[in-house]
Amino acid sequence: QKEVEQNSGPLSVPEGAIASLNCTYSDRGSQSFFWYRQYSGKSPELIMFIYSNGDKEDGRFTAQLNKASQYVSLLIRDSQPSDSATYLCAVNDFNKFYFGSGTKLNVKP
Amino acid sequence: EAQVTQNPRYLITVTGKKLTVTCSQNMNHEYMSWYRQDPGLGLRQIYYSMNVEVTDKGDVPEGYKVSRKEKRNFPLILESPSPNQTSLYFCASSLSGYSYNSPLHFGNGTRLTVT
Repeated sequence: QKEVEQNSGPLSVPEGAIASLNCTYSDRGSQSFFWYRQYSGKSPELIMFIYSNGDKEDGRFTAQLNKASQYVSLLIRDSQPSDSATYLCAVNDFNKFYFGSGTKLNVKP
Repeated sequence: EAQVTQNPRYLITVTGKKLTVTCSQNMNHEYMSWYRQDPGLGLRQIYYSMNVEVTDKGDVPEGYKVSRKEKRNFPLILESPSPNQTSLYFCASSLSGYSYNSPLHFGNGTRLTVT
């Protein structure tokens, strides 16, 4: 069974701080990696994806991938209360997508 | 507007009464899939389809059926629902299941309750 692991949280950060969300995956053959944000009762929304080792930046968000360590992370700079949500890590592995159970982020004003 | 449309949004039914949840996408995506989301378990893939007439099982296919007769539609069928199928269901599509840069786009979800 392929696994994607995330700390369930909640992770609490003050407004304006950097939030760091982490994810590990079990299958070295995994090809691409996605971060989604999900508000309670809503559908997941794509934040960004990454498939090469290193960092990828998009506005306040930076995804980091380390395939040797089977680790992917998401940094949110200048966190806002509107960033409070559950963040899902997803892995694409030969036509199938595997999701972590999500990390709940609380950004306190 | 590019979107994935699921219907209905809410459904309450009784054990054993066949039901269908519809899913349609207008993005000409090749890949479509169904997920269920349960507290503490995250999103789990039920079935997926690489293209018309091509479907395959995900991690939790028992009790579900799908069909892909047209590229845009991918209905989920529960022929004899049971209470353990009470869940939040999402349909999703992407340009391709193979491509490195093909994220999933999700529908708004269907909350199913089986009594």
